[in-house]
Amino acid sequence: GQNIDQPTEMTATEGAIVQINCTYQTSGFNGLFWYQQHAGEAPTFLSYNVLDGLEEKGRFSSFLSRSKGYSYLLLKELQMKDSASYLCAVLDSNYQLIWGAGTKLIIKP
Amino acid sequence: GAVVSQHPSRVICKSGTSVKIECRSLDFQATTMFWYRQFPKQSLMLMATSNEGSKATYEQGVEKDKFLINHASLTLSTLTVTSAHPEDSSFYICSAREAAGENQPQHFGDGTRLSIL
Repeated sequence: GQNIDQPTEMTATEGAIVQINCTYQTSGFNGLFWYQQHAGEAPTFLSYNVLDGLEEKGRFSSFLSRSKGYSYLLLKELQMKDSASYLCAVLDSNYQLIWGAGTKLIIKP
Repeated sequence: GAVVSQHPSRVICKSGTSVKIECRSLDFQATTMFWYRQFPKQSLMLMATSNEGSKATYEQGVEKDKFLINHASLTLSTLTVTSAHPEDSSFYICSAREAAGENQPQHFGDGTRLSIL
């Protein structure tokens, strides 16, 4: 079966750095997405990785290792507004998006 | 760019009512749109994939006659919850993918919170 694993919840301090991991086992791979979802709102697109390596976009970076079936989202200089759920999703061989359950990130002052 | 508009944002209605939700891509053409349902503190659950000009593809366990989907143009898809009951109360979210390719990100509407009394 297809499976996406990410931690249920993480806590970090304002101004610090946090890394949210995602591991996947899917039938084929056509890319991995990270989305941010604030409580009661719809998800917003953060990043897309299809090749191995690190993609940096401001305070957020996303890393992919296809051989390990592993990705992480790195958030730097954390702000209170970064408190949200972060969803990892993988595009399988049929271009179907397989969603992880999301990681709830709690930022403390 | 890549803005998706979803209306209404909130609906409260009596049991037995049919509710129509619209999803529009405002600044791009969307060959494919997706309809999701999300329960509190849970991840997104894909209900159906909607392709312009053809019948929607429903996920297992989703009733086609209950959740009617129409994708009449490259910028509009609608979901109609027919004869809604309290168990249909949920957060419904649509997304649209740009026509450029299947590896394009999905862009989400703001969601519709449906409450059936």
